[in-house]
Amino acid sequence: EDQVTQSPEALRLQEGESSSLNCSYTVSGLRGLFWYRQDPGKGPEFLFTLYSAGEEKEKERLKATLTKKESFLHITAPKPEDSATYLCAVRNAGGTSYGKLTFGQGTILTVHP
Amino acid sequence: GAVVSQHPSWVICKSGTSVKIECRSLDFQATTMFWYRQFPKQSLMLMATSNEGSKATYEQGVEKDKFLINHASLTLSTLTVTSAHPEDSSFYICSARGTGNSPLHFGNGTRLTVT
Repeated sequence: EDQVTQSPEALRLQEGESSSLNCSYTVSGLRGLFWYRQDPGKGPEFLFTLYSAGEEKEKERLKATLTKKESFLHITAPKPEDSATYLCAVRNAGGTSYGKLTFGQGTILTVHP
Repeated sequence: GAVVSQHPSWVICKSGTSVKIECRSLDFQATTMFWYRQFPKQSLMLMATSNEGSKATYEQGVEKDKFLINHASLTLSTLTVTSAHPEDSSFYICSARGTGNSPLHFGNGTRLTVT
């Protein structure tokens, strides 16, 4: 069974204080690791897909990296508008529900001005 | 691109009634759609996989007779919560995948409250 564990559960930062979120995973044949952002009362918004160890993706203040066991979401000089829940998910190589994602419990990020 | 529209965004119903939630992919065809459920401060739990033109595949522990899923076209899937009870109150989110190994794109969710 695929498993995704995110840490920390909650993270409070001051504006401009860089940090990283962790996503540890076990999956039977990784077909992609996905990062999403979710605002309260909304559906998740897609950020990145990483497919193989060593891969990196960047978008504005966010940078996602991937190893064989975990992924990091680095936030550089965050702003209050970066406050949200960040979700990590994995997709495995097959199964009856092809394409489905297994999610971690998320990291609630709060950035104070 | 890749917009998924979900309707309604919130609904309040009485115990014993049924509620239908619609999920549409607006600018792409979605052979497969997924229905998730999310409790407060918890992550998304997959309920079922909806395949166009065939029966849905339900995750273990999800009652298929209670949560009816219909995927009538490549752009529309519906979830009907039948004989709703207060414990069915939750945030229901649909998602759709285009072709290949593309990411899932999510609707904005439906907040269901059963009184």
